[in-house]
Amino acid sequence: QVQIVQSGAEVKKPGASVKVSCKASGYTFTAHAIHWVRQAPGQRLEWMGWINAGTGNTKYSQMFQGRVTITRDTSAYTAYLELSSLRSEDTAVYYCARGRSNYQFYMDVWGKGTTVAVYS
Amino acid sequence: QSVLTQPPSVSGAPGQRVTISCTGSSSNIGAGYDVHWYQQLPGTVPKLLIYGNNNRPSGVPDRFSGSMSGTSASLAITGLQVEDEADYYCQSYDSSLSGSVVFGGGTKLTVL
Repeated sequence: QVQIVQSGAEVKKPGASVKVSCKASGYTFTAHAIHWVRQAPGQRLEWMGWINAGTGNTKYSQMFQGRVTITRDTSAYTAYLELSSLRSEDTAVYYCARGRSNYQFYMDVWGKGTTVAVYS
Repeated sequence: QSVLTQPPSVSGAPGQRVTISCTGSSSNIGAGYDVHWYQQLPGTVPKLLIYGNNNRPSGVPDRFSGSMSGTSASLAITGLQVEDEADYYCQSYDSSLSGSVVFGGGTKLTVL
């Protein structure tokens, strides 16, 4: 069955970078986009960006432009989110979610989330 | 400030019908981009509830339905059940700011 497994929790200091991974299985990886969505404690869902897993093309939210990089390794069926210049407000659960396709902008399968805590 | 506006909370008694609105603009819902809805039960991962305005993934009861009109969309839940208590988010695509996926602010449904 379709599964998305994310890497474990991270604790980072302000100014550092974090890289979260998202390993997919049970479907053709290159046929579906991967989206990254985060949720700060008690807050709403916030879309960060997506990658077309087939072409590698990316689109980022302007909120994170310049700080976020999404990549993928097709041979490993894995996508990555890297967020730099971390600040305390980046403390959140980061979700990886499969797009219904590379060209449909909704998410049909979600990972369990990776908690990132930023504090000094 | 979310691009899509939802009421912070709604409530209803078991068996009742409730609706959750999602108000957008001419660059998202009004431009014809599809609206999708997610349900997030307490302490869990968001789950796709409605896609493409009014389509239910396999396993989602037909008590849940979506609709659209102009620059707004709505999620209706009939025959409310205690286990429907959750946060609900609408989501669409916005063509402004170079284009991006956008979420509503979320609505907390309380079943009284």
